[in-house]
Amino acid sequence: GIQVEQSPPDLILQEGANSTLRCNFSDSVNNLQWFHQNPWGQLINLFYIPSGTKQNGRLSATTVATERYSLLYISSSQTTDSGVYFCAPETSGSRLTFGEGTQLTVNP
Amino acid sequence: DAGITQSPRHKVTETGTPVTLRCHQTENHRYMYWYRQDPGHGLRLIHYSYGVKDTDKGEVSDGYSVSRSKTEDFLLTLESATSSQTSVYFCAIKEGYGSPLHFGNGTRLTVT
Repeated sequence: GIQVEQSPPDLILQEGANSTLRCNFSDSVNNLQWFHQNPWGQLINLFYIPSGTKQNGRLSATTVATERYSLLYISSSQTTDSGVYFCAPETSGSRLTFGEGTQLTVNP
Repeated sequence: DAGITQSPRHKVTETGTPVTLRCHQTENHRYMYWYRQDPGHGLRLIHYSYGVKDTDKGEVSDGYSVSRSKTEDFLLTLESATSSQTSVYFCAIKEGYGSPLHFGNGTRLTVT
């Protein structure tokens, strides 16, 4: 099956800093989604992004499907951004495979 | 919030007993999924369903079975629970092809 690698595995920031999270995948995909798992364990869908760039407030995501990677940008980070960020490429049959995530800690 | 309810939220059971987890949705979405989350493994797909009575295996399906007799309910059964099945189980739903995935709040299962 498809292999998904996320980097970095851990990231510690000061409030107000910017960051870029990366997701590499091994096969062609139909689309890709990004999720945030908050410290209480809830998983929230951030982006559904098969290709191109999307923005939602301080967050934006870019997927370059032909080169098999996606990036998640967080600008002016806040403590509420802490948690784990997952990417999940979707392959045929609507199967989504998750990476192991990036653990983000934003300190005040 | 997507209308997804998982029950129970917490369960402790003994090795060898059967366990059924329930996922109920009010969105009338076609696709439903069961994932497990363990430290160091992210989220791994157990089984998923693409319609009533239509299911398929995921990457970690051994020891699990599922049923979907109604659009709104997707049941996950551990026929004989083992300690390796101690995990947090998440249900997720998706409206159709090319739509975002939404998660329930999870069920924490402990097998002693």
